[in-house]
Amino acid sequence: ETGVTQSPTHLIKTRGQQVTLRCSSQSGHNTVSWYQQALGQGPQFIFQYYREEENGRGNFPPRFSGLQFPNYSSELNVNALELDDSALYLCASSLTGTAETQYFGPGTRLLVL
Amino acid sequence: DAKTTQPNSMESNEEEPVHLPCNHSTISGTDYIHWYRQLPSQGPEYVIHGLTSNVNNRMASLAIAEDRKSSTLILHRATLRDAAVYYCTSHNSGGSNYKLTFGKGTLLTVNP
Repeated sequence: ETGVTQSPTHLIKTRGQQVTLRCSSQSGHNTVSWYQQALGQGPQFIFQYYREEENGRGNFPPRFSGLQFPNYSSELNVNALELDDSALYLCASSLTGTAETQYFGPGTRLLVL
Repeated sequence: DAKTTQPNSMESNEEEPVHLPCNHSTISGTDYIHWYRQLPSQGPEYVIHGLTSNVNNRMASLAIAEDRKSSTLILHRATLRDAAVYYCTSHNSGGSNYKLTFGKGTLLTVNP
């Protein structure tokens, strides 16, 4: 069973640029959730994708967008990067249900200068 | 979204039990309580979850108060590998949006 993988592991961008982060979900999982984790804080929910459709969104602006592909892998896109976007971005996959466990990847560390 | 409150940090000795408390007084009746832990430089790892009844698994036990306003994660014999940030989360099962709402977590230090 392959776990959740994310790429790249680290990334440095400058303010105003755009970034795409990638996530491969665990085999058999049809739902992907993205979280942002600032230093010293708990993860904050960005959005979730289920069968290629957005299935809920947290309190993040529209410049945070995503995609889910037919193989259930996913991308997180952030446009017009701001310094405060510097964080660890976590992807979690799961099977949609009433209390499904979410399996997290190791995250992508984004630094915006 | 239900808010969870945990102590910022706790300390334990190796091979002793650890009780990690969590307050979730605003949790709704259908929200599950999930616990995750995060080791340095890793993503969160699932520990245990429950709705109303106490739960046990190979990693830990979860004791849920009768009024569901609080819960306690119990590590029966702490090891050095249990040193991590422990998050108590509410799992919103309303509609089809199953998001986890994390607080700041409890940093558990385990002394040898």
